[in-house]
Amino acid sequence: DGGITQSPKYLFRKEGQNVTLSCEQNLNHDAMYWYRQDPGQGLRLIYYSQIVNDFQKGDIAEGYSVSREKKESFPLTVTSAQKNPTAFYLCASSISRTGYEQFFGPGTRLTVL
Amino acid sequence: GESVGLHLPTLSVQEGDNSIINCAYSNSASDYFIWYKQESGKGPQFIIDIRSNMDKRQGQRVTVLLNKTVKHLSLQIAATQPGDSAVYFCAENWGRDDKIIFGKGTRLHILP
Repeated sequence: DGGITQSPKYLFRKEGQNVTLSCEQNLNHDAMYWYRQDPGQGLRLIYYSQIVNDFQKGDIAEGYSVSREKKESFPLTVTSAQKNPTAFYLCASSISRTGYEQFFGPGTRLTVL
Repeated sequence: GESVGLHLPTLSVQEGDNSIINCAYSNSASDYFIWYKQESGKGPQFIIDIRSNMDKRQGQRVTVLLNKTVKHLSLQIAATQPGDSAVYFCAENWGRDDKIIFGKGTRLHILP
């Protein structure tokens, strides 16, 4: 089955630690995205990548980092610099940046203890 | 401003009735619109999309209407079922910098 996967589903982190969230897709999509969702809020774009080895900051990139070494993978690192990291993180992919729907993964809920 | 909003945060509908979820967008340059459904604890799921050269598009039990004159988008769900309970949100593709802007969502409750 083609799709987009995220792991883990739940993640707990101590304050001051970096943590990396995994996102993999086998849809052969060029574009990939990371969003943050807080309760009662819409999706806010953290980073996006239109092609391998290239990525751009979204609206709330501070405290996050990404890499795009392979077309299928777009991991997100939440660093200790992120002041309020507890949230639901969603990864998505699309055929290209514009004009096509985004397919979302199941999400990772990160809780900072 | 660049915003996609919703008129009602919560909507309760009797099972079997039709529901209408509304969305206002602010950018007349937006040319692509999407509706997503998100169940609790899950990622959003694509429902239906519409491009700006159309004013109506139908899917299975769902219809999206686009009124470019008043910059309004709606999602109609026919004969609602318990499985339709979710948060629905619209998104617009803003052509200026190819951004996709997501609204905050409307929670749909299906009453037995």
